[in-house]
Amino acid sequence: AQSVTQLGSHVSVSEGALVLLRCNYSSSVPPYLFWYVQYPNQGLQLLLKYTSAATLVKGINGFEAEFKKSETSFHLTKPSAHMSDAAEYFCAVRDGNNRLAFGKGNQVVVIP
Amino acid sequence: DAGITQSPRYKITETGRQVTLMCHQTWSHSYMFWYRQDLGHGLRLIYYSAAADITDKGEVPDGYVVSRSKTENFPLTLESATRSQTSVYFCASSEGSYTDTQYFGPGTRLTVL
Repeated sequence: AQSVTQLGSHVSVSEGALVLLRCNYSSSVPPYLFWYVQYPNQGLQLLLKYTSAATLVKGINGFEAEFKKSETSFHLTKPSAHMSDAAEYFCAVRDGNNRLAFGKGNQVVVIP
Repeated sequence: DAGITQSPRYKITETGRQVTLMCHQTWSHSYMFWYRQDLGHGLRLIYYSAAADITDKGEVPDGYVVSRSKTENFPLTLESATRSQTSVYFCASSEGSYTDTQYFGPGTRLTVL
């Protein structure tokens, strides 16, 4: 079975500082990995995805993630946090039945 | 407008009542999904559908029923609502391949008293 671990339910970051959200996965098949963002009172929207092409994936709003097979990780980063980055972020791995298994999410708070 | 919509956006009901949450997408996507979002649990899959008239259970299907007679609609029914089903429910759709993005609706906040 596929699963995702996201540590630290709340992450505080100063405006202008690096955003780093960690995601580790387990998968019995070649993984397809996703990061989704959820702004308050909205549904989830895709930030970026890894689908077995380049291991460094660039997404929207300046975010990127690197797939590291040896570490079973897909950490999300952004060099400089903006106030608008305050949201909840979910890592997900797709299983062989086209279903997504989500992590529990990281609530990001940006401190002015 | 094209997209994925959910109705109602907010619903308050009482224990034991039947409730149906609606989901409609205009892309003719093959796959549709229902998730529930609860604090500390992230999103958990309730049911999904690969095509019209094909549905399958997800991680937490008990107490829920789905149907999909048309590609664009995927209603979720709580046959006899319980307090533990108080949650935010999200519908999503995708074209169908393993690499495809899932597109999410705005959610329905359901409270069971």
